[in-house]
Amino acid sequence: ETGVTQTPRHLVMGMTNKKSLKCEQHLGHNAMYWYKQSAKKPLELMFVYSLEERVENNSVPSRFSPECPNSSHLFLHLHTLQPEDSALYLCASSQISGSGANVLTFGAGSRLTVL
Amino acid sequence: GQNIDQPTEMTATEGAIVQINCTYQTSGFNGLFWYQQHAGEAPTFLSYNVLDGLEEKGRFSSFLSRSKGYSYLLLKELQMKDSASYLCAVRDRSGNTGKLIFGQGTTLQVKP
Repeated sequence: ETGVTQTPRHLVMGMTNKKSLKCEQHLGHNAMYWYKQSAKKPLELMFVYSLEERVENNSVPSRFSPECPNSSHLFLHLHTLQPEDSALYLCASSQISGSGANVLTFGAGSRLTVL
Repeated sequence: GQNIDQPTEMTATEGAIVQINCTYQTSGFNGLFWYQQHAGEAPTFLSYNVLDGLEEKGRFSSFLSRSKGYSYLLLKELQMKDSASYLCAVRDRSGNTGKLIFGQGTTLQVKP
């Protein structure tokens, strides 16, 4: 496996279900991100983890709960979601250093549908 | 507020040149990025500008004017596979840990 892999690629869940999205990066990066991509809207940053510590939480509802057990893995735990949460959830990683562009490498995303 | 503007859709002909514009208003600036995203796939990095001027990379070039809050992505010798969404993003503060603010993307359709 190379790059950033996300599972599952597609997920359908009811509003009362609990599910998790998984992201794994094989690039040796030290930062990981969750973004939400809705139709006709810009990518929205949800969470940032740097060296496994959450450094940004963009006013995301508590029904989304991130977990970063190590620098290669990132989870997004989902519970009691709303239909408006249906979107493509993108994971990304990057190498944050003292200099450089800090280019994000994205996974292909998990397409979530909430019924 | 933070705002990134780019056209929603563009159409161009195979073999032609197309320019996708992006204007931004952000509280800070530490670099502008262009990403390409094919339908159902991951966004992939195309270019990065932090100083004014033109950066060329094969068929793709990106230009930045910080004083005007303006960038463009230039695609030459268009190919059918260039049909995709092109995302403009700005890093909002100094240092490379600042968050990326994205525009809504420009969907480019290349026709034969």
